[in-house]
Amino acid sequence: DIQMTQSPSSLSASVGDRITITCQASQDISNYLNWYQQKPGKAPKLLIYDASNLETGVPSRFSGSGSGTDFTFTISSLQPEDIATYYCQQYDGVPRTFGQGTKLGIK
Amino acid sequence: EVQLVESGGGLVKPGGSLRLSCAASGFTFSSYSMNWVRQAPGKGLEWVSSISSSSSYIYFADSVKGRFTISRDNAENSLYLQMNSLRAEDTAVYYCARDQIVGTTGAILANWGQGTLVTVSS
Repeated sequence: DIQMTQSPSSLSASVGDRITITCQASQDISNYLNWYQQKPGKAPKLLIYDASNLETGVPSRFSGSGSGTDFTFTISSLQPEDIATYYCQQYDGVPRTFGQGTKLGIK
Repeated sequence: EVQLVESGGGLVKPGGSLRLSCAASGFTFSSYSMNWVRQAPGKGLEWVSSISSSSSYIYFADSVKGRFTISRDNAENSLYLQMNSLRAEDTAVYYCARDQIVGTTGAILANWGQGTLVTVSS
């Protein structure tokens, strides 16, 4: 199974800050990597697919990069509504696997 | 608008069975692969199972293989998850999710339902 290691597990930042989350795959997954946002009590929402493609309707302050085993998710200017848990997910192999999540809070 | 509505969750004793349903609307259901993803209370997301558009390809997580069955009825626009031999560790919110594009299975989960809670407890 492909293991996805996300870091940090939690993060606190100020409004307007640039924040970065990393996700490392246990083997080469090309660009088969997605990022999801989950707010408390809600279903996950797709933000980024294929490592760097912004899903329709998602604000441009969200971005993703990387390929192979190392991936990065960035919020260029943190907004209060971005408080959520973020997950990476690979789909290069079965089982599909998620990172353990990064809980983002506001200082 | 894509809509996915799960139902069938509830309280069940260990060793029992439950069947979850997901009613789909707003898209051509028969063209897309569908998936189940679960989330234990206070925990992260766990992919459970995927089924291709024509049911030709079916995949399961090792944690549920041999106990869970996934199926779909394209005429009824519905997805199902039959869960047998349930364990306490199966307690979770179960989400159904649709693949983003035709032709992939369990790849990019673009649309999600609101989830249904399954509690396995005596």
